[in-house]
Amino acid sequence: AQSVTQLDSQVPVFEEAPVELRCNYSSSVSVYLFWYVQYPNQGLQLLLKYLSGSTLVESINGFEAEFNKSQTSFHLRKPSVHISDTAEYFCAVSPSQGGSEKLVFGKGTKLTVNP
Amino acid sequence: EAGVAQSPRYKIIEKRQSVAFWCNPISGHATLYWYQQILGQGPKLLIQFQNNGVVDDSQLPKDRFSAERLKGVDSTLKIQPAKLEDSAVYLCASSLDGRPYGYTFGSGTRLTVV
Repeated sequence: AQSVTQLDSQVPVFEEAPVELRCNYSSSVSVYLFWYVQYPNQGLQLLLKYLSGSTLVESINGFEAEFNKSQTSFHLRKPSVHISDTAEYFCAVSPSQGGSEKLVFGKGTKLTVNP
Repeated sequence: EAGVAQSPRYKIIEKRQSVAFWCNPISGHATLYWYQQILGQGPKLLIQFQNNGVVDDSQLPKDRFSAERLKGVDSTLKIQPAKLEDSAVYLCASSLDGRPYGYTFGSGTRLTVV
């Protein structure tokens, strides 16, 4: 079974400051890793994913995450945040083998960007 | 392409009443999922369909929850009778071939049980 721990439930930052949202996972098998974003009253949108290959993955809106197998982490970073990045961010994992495609989510981190 | 459609967007019911949610996945997506998102928690899978068959319903409280996907397209999730702890957002998602990186989520139905 897999589990995900998001270490911070809330992260307040000022506009244009850097941010890091932390995610650690536990799994006995290889995994795929994901970050989803949820804006108020909306569904989940895929932000970025790690399937294989380069451990650094990027999104189109400036976020990046690095897969660290030894530390079982997949932290999300952005060098300069905007007001529009205010949302809840969920880290998720899924086994990369064994045929189970179920996503297991962390509890989420609420990012608030203040002017 | 059109997204995953869910209705209603909001529902308020009293405990012990019944309620049903509807989901229409993206056309051609064989796999459909229902997730429950309780406030302050991440989404939790309730049930997964492959076409009209159930693949995983291990976390579905079967004494009160039921779901069907009769023609392998749209799906209905029902709660009967509802409890206060069922208050949550119910998210439907679909994927073309069941791969986790192909999920598309709907906007969800927010259920409040009073």
